[in-house]
Amino acid sequence: DVVMTQSPLSLPVTLGQPASISCKSSQSLVHSDGNTYLNWFQQRPGQSPRRLIYKVSNRDSGVPDRFSGSGSGTDFTLKISRVEAEDVGVYYCMQGTHWPFTFGPGTKVDI
Amino acid sequence: QVQLVQSGSELKKPGASVKVSCKTSGYTFTTYPMNWVRQAPGQGLEWMGRINTNTGNPTYAQGFTGRFVFSLDTSVSTAYLQISSLKAEDTAVYYCVASVVYWGQGTLVTVSS
Repeated sequence: DVVMTQSPLSLPVTLGQPASISCKSSQSLVHSDGNTYLNWFQQRPGQSPRRLIYKVSNRDSGVPDRFSGSGSGTDFTLKISRVEAEDVGVYYCMQGTHWPFTFGPGTKVDI
Repeated sequence: QVQLVQSGSELKKPGASVKVSCKTSGYTFTTYPMNWVRQAPGQGLEWMGRINTNTGNPTYAQGFTGRFVFSLDTSVSTAYLQISSLKAEDTAVYYCVASVVYWGQGTLVTVSS
């Protein structure tokens, strides 16, 4: 199985300041169809996860543009340009290139 | 809009079985595969597997074979997760996920004597 790692696992943030989460995979996430199926999810306390980013850098509908994704191959990053209070929660990267799909361990973001 | 509504919390004894339902609306049921994800208390997310909503063919991740069964009732746009011979370590929230995007609200299954 593809192992996903994230750093840091805990990220204290300051409102209005930027934040960044790294995600690395144990093998390349480039699919044979040429796409890279790397997703980012946000899970607020007591809620179901919500996808923020798909295929590395595409924001889902309704996701604020302060969230951005980047990377390629095995190294990926989620950035929040200016953290807001509603961004508190756990962020997971997830690969959908290789079966079984696998999640990273999560990064807890708190103020 | 797309909605996935799961059945309510369950409290079961070790060795019992449980069946979690996931009723969908707002889209054609066969459009997306249905995935199942487990989240143990205070832990991260774990992909259990998925079922092809066109063929009914399930695929299970390692660690979720044998006691775990995915099924469908396409007539009511509903997916099911059945877990047999429950163990304490099965205590978790179970999510149905259509495609990779649409999540149910989760069903807490607690296994305790």
